[in-house]
Amino acid sequence: GAGVSQSPSNKVTEKGKDVELRCDPISGHTALYWYRQSLGQGLEFLIYFQGNSAPDKSGLPSDRFSAERTGGSVSTLTIQRTQQEDSAVYLCASSSRQKSFQETQYFGPGTRLLVL
Amino acid sequence: AQSVTQPDIHITVSEGASLELRCNYSYGATPYLFWYVQSPGQGLQLLLKYFSGDTLVQGIKGFEAEFKRSQSSFNLRKPSVHWSDAAEYFCAVGLRSGSARQLTFGSGTQLTVLP
Repeated sequence: GAGVSQSPSNKVTEKGKDVELRCDPISGHTALYWYRQSLGQGLEFLIYFQGNSAPDKSGLPSDRFSAERTGGSVSTLTIQRTQQEDSAVYLCASSSRQKSFQETQYFGPGTRLLVL
Repeated sequence: AQSVTQPDIHITVSEGASLELRCNYSYGATPYLFWYVQSPGQGLQLLLKYFSGDTLVQGIKGFEAEFKRSQSSFNLRKPSVHWSDAAEYFCAVGLRSGSARQLTFGSGTQLTVLP
């Protein structure tokens, strides 16, 4: 079946603009994650959704970052008033359940964001 | 807080040679351990994972990893590297307790394979 998809694949924006990044998880997956991968860095956790529970926002770097997940499926990560340091690849992952880590996280191809 | 260290930023090996990528973690208990591979323009793909039991874990594409509790390590190995293995490799850990379910990743090791 289809994997995790993300759009757009690339986004170039000007400093100060808002951007929205979209993630379509694997159908039926209840857990959804956003990570950020900056140049030369490992992946940095941003936010986690599990079913109808309140999201874990502990990784969001500032209040300019927010995310929502509508209908327990598609998620949108919004960055307001973008800064150059927001330039990175934003990765989305989903898994079927999160009772334990035995559920593998499947990653999308990412959205490469460049803030000029 | 847990952390993951991949000491080698870049490794170059010849095709057919053996490979070992290092991963060390810092955590108060045994975490869940993972290796992912990221090819250019591709998403992360899980190579293998360790939860418990046999400390030598077999993965896809001929990779294996060994968990060594005494060294807090989870090194990735492959006996004979193929040109298609050129990619970036990430080690990751997950907590065994609490509500947090995110993975903590190392900074990655870029593998170059020479013909």
